[in-house]
Amino acid sequence: EADIYQTPRYLVIGTGKKITLECSQTMGHDKMYWYQQDPGMELHLIHYSYGVNSTEKGDLSSESTVSRIRTEHFPLTLESARPSHTSQYLCASEQTTRGSYTEAFFGQGTRLTVV
Amino acid sequence: DQQVKQNSPSLSVQEGRISILNCDYTNSMFDYFLWYKKYPAEGPTFLISISSIKDKNEDGRFTVFLNKSAKHLSLHIVPSQPGDSAVYFCAASARYSGGGADGLTFGKGTHLIIQP
Repeated sequence: EADIYQTPRYLVIGTGKKITLECSQTMGHDKMYWYQQDPGMELHLIHYSYGVNSTEKGDLSSESTVSRIRTEHFPLTLESARPSHTSQYLCASEQTTRGSYTEAFFGQGTRLTVV
Repeated sequence: DQQVKQNSPSLSVQEGRISILNCDYTNSMFDYFLWYKKYPAEGPTFLISISSIKDKNEDGRFTVFLNKSAKHLSLHIVPSQPGDSAVYFCAASARYSGGGADGLTFGKGTHLIIQP
């Protein structure tokens, strides 16, 4: 069983508020990812990190920001939430091993609703 | 343009029969393919994967087939059980061929419904 945790599971918040979605993993994985998924749609990569102090933007443009100060922690922040940010946010982690294929482990997700 | 396509939004199969979920991709640099299972309001759970050097990988009731020339893969579940009812996502990566961005590229998913 994967040890990757997201909090909160559900969040309803008003427009203009600043929010931080938490993601922590206890597996010591170097790579971490944030995906966004709308109902019935594919998961879109919005941010990823190769390790501490490394952050990159993904394929889907997002107004959110991330940080990676510690290996186990990869929070996502929205400075000013808008209704268009309503979605499910999924965090994942993966251990890169040279010459070996690995899978990403996902957290349970945060369902964000901005009203 | 979608690089990973799951053209069947839903699939209904009788319990005990075989479920076949299909996935097509367009990026020839993809070299690693995975299937994830997802229940509502939960994160995806890894099921099975296959690298481009293989054409088949089996794990219990789950078998994934890869046809590189057709850029097609499929997931077979046999026999299908009620607990298999979920959304199944096909995902692909080009990390080892260096041909694409990091992370996984997902399809839109297929909702599998197992009927008793």
